[in-house]
Amino acid sequence: QKEVEQDPGPLSVPEGAIVSLNCTYSNSAFQYFMWYRQYSRKGPELLMYTYSSGNKEDGRFTAQVDKSSKYISLFIRDSQPSDSATYLCAMSADSNYQLIWGAGTKLIIKP
Amino acid sequence: EPEVTQTPSHQVTQMGQEVILRCVPISNHLYFYWYRQILGQKVEFLVSFYNNEISEKSEIFDDQFSVERPDGSNFTLKIRSTKLEDSAMYFCASTPRVKQFFGPGTRLTVL
Repeated sequence: QKEVEQDPGPLSVPEGAIVSLNCTYSNSAFQYFMWYRQYSRKGPELLMYTYSSGNKEDGRFTAQVDKSSKYISLFIRDSQPSDSATYLCAMSADSNYQLIWGAGTKLIIKP
Repeated sequence: EPEVTQTPSHQVTQMGQEVILRCVPISNHLYFYWYRQILGQKVEFLVSFYNNEISEKSEIFDDQFSVERPDGSNFTLKIRSTKLEDSAMYFCASTPRVKQFFGPGTRLTVL
């Protein structure tokens, strides 16, 4: 079983839709959960960071962590064509340890 | 806003040659990382660096690889004898704690 599983997509939705992106993981030691956005041939850009379980909201983005189910989600409200990118989940067991990455989900927002 | 910078943006080299990839982390950050991403694949951790020494390294980071912080600002990754399979995007990241900020990457092409 891979440590972090993420559906690579592509996920195509119309502009304005609510997008739900998810990752599952197997290592119960993970405590730090991040979502990055990556445009083609660019570096990952940190979107959201959550420690342990719970929700975090930042503008149109909401991150959720359910440690009991080993499941994390990123919701994007009022999606825009500029949100089209690959979204990667990443997680770590300690604050400065290596990040373990999902494969990334390619998101396409159709105008 | 401070950014991680990397040079060069693209490096082409012949198999067996040495390459040095350069990074300037964000100035008040203490932890530094190198990751790589082979085209179409997951981001993979290579090495982390703290207090002038390696704190973690992956199986990928074998004797062909080395890292250095030659002065107060630069952080380098050296590949001593490049192989075809070293062709990838190499990302440098830095963090004061937890949130890792990534540079734009260096695309390494080994011919």
